[in-house]
Parts: sequence; structure tokens; C-alpha cells
Amino acid sequence: NAGVTQTPKFQVLKTGQSMTLQCAQDMNHNSMYWYRQDPGMGLRLIYYSASEGTTDKGEVPDGYNVSRLKKQNFLLGLESAAPSQTSVYFCASSARTSGNPYEQYFGPGTRLTVT
Amino acid sequence: AQSVTQLDSQVPVFEEAPVELRCNYSSSVSVYLFWYVQYPNQGLQLLLKYLSGSTLVKGINGFEAEFNKSQTSFHLRKPSVHISDTAEYFCAVSDQGAQKLVFGQGTRLTINP
Repeated sequence: NAGVTQTPKFQVLKTGQSMTLQCAQDMNHNSMYWYRQDPGMGLRLIYYSASEGTTDKGEVPDGYNVSRLKKQNFLLGLESAAPSQTSVYFCASSARTSGNPYEQYFGPGTRLTVT
Repeated sequence: AQSVTQLDSQVPVFEEAPVELRCNYSSSVSVYLFWYVQYPNQGLQLLLKYLSGSTLVKGINGFEAEFNKSQTSFHLRKPSVHISDTAEYFCAVSDQGAQKLVFGQGTRLTINP
């Protein structure tokens, strides 16, 4: 099992450019998440998806969009990149077990710089 | 809504010394609590979790944490640290039944030889 994979690992964008960060998981998990990590702020949830075809906003969704067309994939889009979106982005997935909490499994991250 | 406060942004310790990383949370409902570790240039991995039952939880790599409901704390401890424990540690909380985690700001643990 590869677990959670993310592409690309590094990306440099110019202000106003667009791009899509890709996340894939091979654990048949229902739920998937996108976080951003900034120094001194921990991880903040951007969007999450409880199941294929559904998405919900997290704590910091502005400037991002997401797509969950297949259960194993969760895409994060930046329509018009801004320097404030310079960050490390993590994707995670988790299984839903009735009556039990879940553990989130994280990808290795994508380091994005917007100039 | 839940919130998490990690009381120390950086903790330097000497190798083989004990360490405690502090975490306090706020919630109006019952919660689940987690500690994650992030080694340099990697993603996060679960160290341990409190779901219910015994308030002392043991995790991987010799770490343990104690849930204290009255003090709303979930401090992480290790009796003797190694250089390989150098990492950033995150405390996280979710309310029971929810799918989302709320993370603290992180504590950077530095081990000096």
C-alpha cells in the first residue's frame, strides 16, 4: 500500500497563476481532507470530503476549490494564486467506523511558493 | 467548537532526559484526543490517541499521555528521549461523532547531545 500520495512535492507559482494539487489514497477510505501548515499555526483545515461527490468547507477555504469525483482522489485547486497561499499543503484520509473515531493518515505534503 | 492550545512552541532537552509536552483543550462536549508527530520534511503520523477508558494512554516510540478531564489537558510524556525524537509534535481534538480534527500550534522538540 502506498497510503496517501501527493503530487507535486514542490511548486513555484507566480501571482495570479492557477494550479491543482493532487491527492490519492489506496486504503478505500471514505473521508479525505486538505490542510495547510504555516509556521506557528499548526494545521488548518481547508476543505474536507466525507464521501465521494461531497465536499465541505473547513476553517480557511477562501481562494481554494476542491473536487472529489472518485473515492480515491481529492483535488485542491487554486484559481488565482496569491502570496498568502505560500504554505505546505497536506492531504489526509480516514475511514469511518460506526461508533468509533477515526485516525487520519497523512500524505508527505506539497510545498507551494507563490511569488 | 473545539480549540487546542499547546503551551510551549519549543522545548529543548538533553538526550536521555525526560520530557513533557503540554496540551490543553476547550470543548463543550465529550472529545477524542490525539498526538501526532512530524519528522523533518515528512507528513504527520499518529503517536497515540485517547478514546475512552483508562486515562493513561501508551503510544509508539515509548511516548505516553494522560487525559485529565477536570483540567482539560492531554500532556505528552517520555521518560528518556533520544536524538531520533527530534520532531514537531501536534495535539489534536475532535468531538465524538465528528470527522474533523482541530490541531494545536505544534511544539518543536529539540534534543541536545
